[in-house]
Amino acid sequence: NAGVTQTPKFQVLKTGQSMTLQCAQDMNHNSMYWYRQDPGMGLRLIYYSASEGTTDKGEVPNGYNVSRLNKREFSLRLESAAPSQTSVYFCASSEGVGAARNIQYFGAGTRLSVL
Amino acid sequence: DAKTTQPTSMDCAEGRAANLPCNHSTISGNEYVYWYRQIHSQGPQYIIHGLKNNETNEMASLIITEDRKSSTLILPHATLRDTAVYYCIRILQKLVFGQGTRLTINP
Repeated sequence: NAGVTQTPKFQVLKTGQSMTLQCAQDMNHNSMYWYRQDPGMGLRLIYYSASEGTTDKGEVPNGYNVSRLNKREFSLRLESAAPSQTSVYFCASSEGVGAARNIQYFGAGTRLSVL
Repeated sequence: DAKTTQPTSMDCAEGRAANLPCNHSTISGNEYVYWYRQIHSQGPQYIIHGLKNNETNEMASLIITEDRKSSTLILPHATLRDTAVYYCIRILQKLVFGQGTRLTINP
């Protein structure tokens, strides 16, 4: 049982390049999330998808787009990467977004550097 | 802003109980308290959560005060592998991670 799988694990981009971070979960969860974590900081929510077919902005959505491709997959796209987007990106999933059942399971992260 | 207040860092001896405090004095009646930890640079790991009653699972115990303004996470027999940053989060819908407590377990 893999849980939450993120690809790639590492990526280096030049300013202005684009890329898509992939996330897949095999727990039949309804809700999925993308976070970023800068050095020495807690995680900040970029976007989330409460259920298949819906997406909503989190705390720091600027510069990102997301796609909930199906129930399993939730991708994060950087259209024109900037050095300020250098960070570790985590994907997570949960049964739902209600407070009682919001146990989130996290992937191992994608370490992104933008030069 | 759904804030909690935690000490920046704590130390605990291996084999002893680690008690991590969290202040959430403005918590509303519907908000749960969740605890996660992050070991080194791995993805956060869920530990436990509760609303008003004390909770226990195989990892830890959560003690919530009667007025719900604070809580304590207890790791009953800390091991070196429990060294991590521990996040106390109050939640209605979305997790909001603060700085957490950096817990170091010493041999």
